[in-house]
Amino acid sequence: SQTIHQWPATLVQPVGSPLSLECTVEGTSNPNLYWYRQAAGRGLQLLFYSVGIGQISSEVPQNLSASRPQDRQFILSSKKLLLSDSGFYLCAWGKGNNSPLHFGNGTRLTVT
Amino acid sequence: AQSVTQLDSHVSVSEGTPVLLRCNYSSSYSPSLFWYVQHPNKGLQLLLKYTSAATLVKGINGFEAEFKKSETSFHLTKPSAHMSDAAEYFCVVSAFYNQGGKLIFGQGTELSVKP
Repeated sequence: SQTIHQWPATLVQPVGSPLSLECTVEGTSNPNLYWYRQAAGRGLQLLFYSVGIGQISSEVPQNLSASRPQDRQFILSSKKLLLSDSGFYLCAWGKGNNSPLHFGNGTRLTVT
Repeated sequence: AQSVTQLDSHVSVSEGTPVLLRCNYSSSYSPSLFWYVQHPNKGLQLLLKYTSAATLVKGINGFEAEFKKSETSFHLTKPSAHMSDAAEYFCVVSAFYNQGGKLIFGQGTELSVKP
């Protein structure tokens, strides 16, 4: 069966520090991969998605970047965190059009 | 463009009473629709999905939803609420074809269940 791993579960970082969140998927090949952010009390905002290795689509201009160095690995990064980057970050995978997404357990990021 | 509107930001019910969470969608083609549940500080779990087969869709934990094209609705129901149903619920529509399989989320409905 397919599983998705996302870490760390919680992270507290000072403003201006770098960020690296990692997500890996097991049990499937060539998945579409997604990073969502959920601000407190709000819905989900799609940040990035990828349909293949090295292919990244950005949905909103921001302080973050994403990379996909391997088929089942998706990384969210920042060179310098802002206070506004605080939130709950969710990684997900899917198999394309009209298919559901399967989510990781999320990372709670607090920028202080 | 595809969009989804959840009509209630918060719903409160008593344990053992029916649950109704309302969702309307907008789509320029026949969409796929989903309901997800999120418990505090957790990821999202798929409750059910509609992909142009039967209009009444049964999901996990006793939930079901009915696709009504004439009303552009996909409301989520459960006959009898349980305390463990207290969570955030998201109605979701698939994006237009060839947009990387993206899903578009509603703003969520928080369900509270009173003893």
